[in-house]
Amino acid sequence: KQEVTQIPAALSVPEGENLVLNCSFTDSAIYNLQWFRQDPGKGLTSLLLIQSSQREQTSGRLNASLDKSSGRSTLYIAASQPGDSATYLCAVGERLTFGEGTQLTVNP
Amino acid sequence: DTGVSQDPRHKITKRGQNVTFRCDPISEHNRLYWYRQTLGQGPEFLTYFQNEAQLEKSRLLSDRFSAERPKGSFSTLEIQRTEQGDSAMYLCASSLLVGAQYFGPGTRLTVL
Repeated sequence: KQEVTQIPAALSVPEGENLVLNCSFTDSAIYNLQWFRQDPGKGLTSLLLIQSSQREQTSGRLNASLDKSSGRSTLYIAASQPGDSATYLCAVGERLTFGEGTQLTVNP
Repeated sequence: DTGVSQDPRHKITKRGQNVTFRCDPISEHNRLYWYRQTLGQGPEFLTYFQNEAQLEKSRLLSDRFSAERPKGSFSTLEIQRTEQGDSAMYLCASSLLVGAQYFGPGTRLTVL
């Protein structure tokens, strides 16, 4: 059974800082990996999709990497802003298996 | 807006009542997924459709739960004889056959 772990569970940083969120998964035979953000009480917003044959994807200030052999992905956020404050979720597979998320707070 | 929509956004019901939720996916997407999320947890997969065919159901989906996608477009999720443990956010997502899943705003169910 696939298990997904996200570290840290919570992170508080000052505005402008670069930061890294970590995601690990137990079964490396994944279909794809997707990063989402979720604002309180809202649905999920897709940030990046990395297909199993890819190693990274970039969108604006976000960069996600995938290392299937080690069962790890990282989400890099450059020059963080208060509007980045949200919970970030990592999910793997065709029927997505989610981690519990990293709650990010960016302080002005 | 051509994103995934869900209705209602909030539902409060009494234990033992039946409830039905609706999801309208992105129009060209042939896959539709249902997930459930409780407070502080990541979403958990419930079931998914490819066009009108229900291809997989999680063991989380008890006999009180049923989902349909009659014409391969919108989907409904019905919960019969609701229990307090059914209180959660019910999320719908859609995708192309191979691609990112896009989520709707969710339906928050509260069972009193």
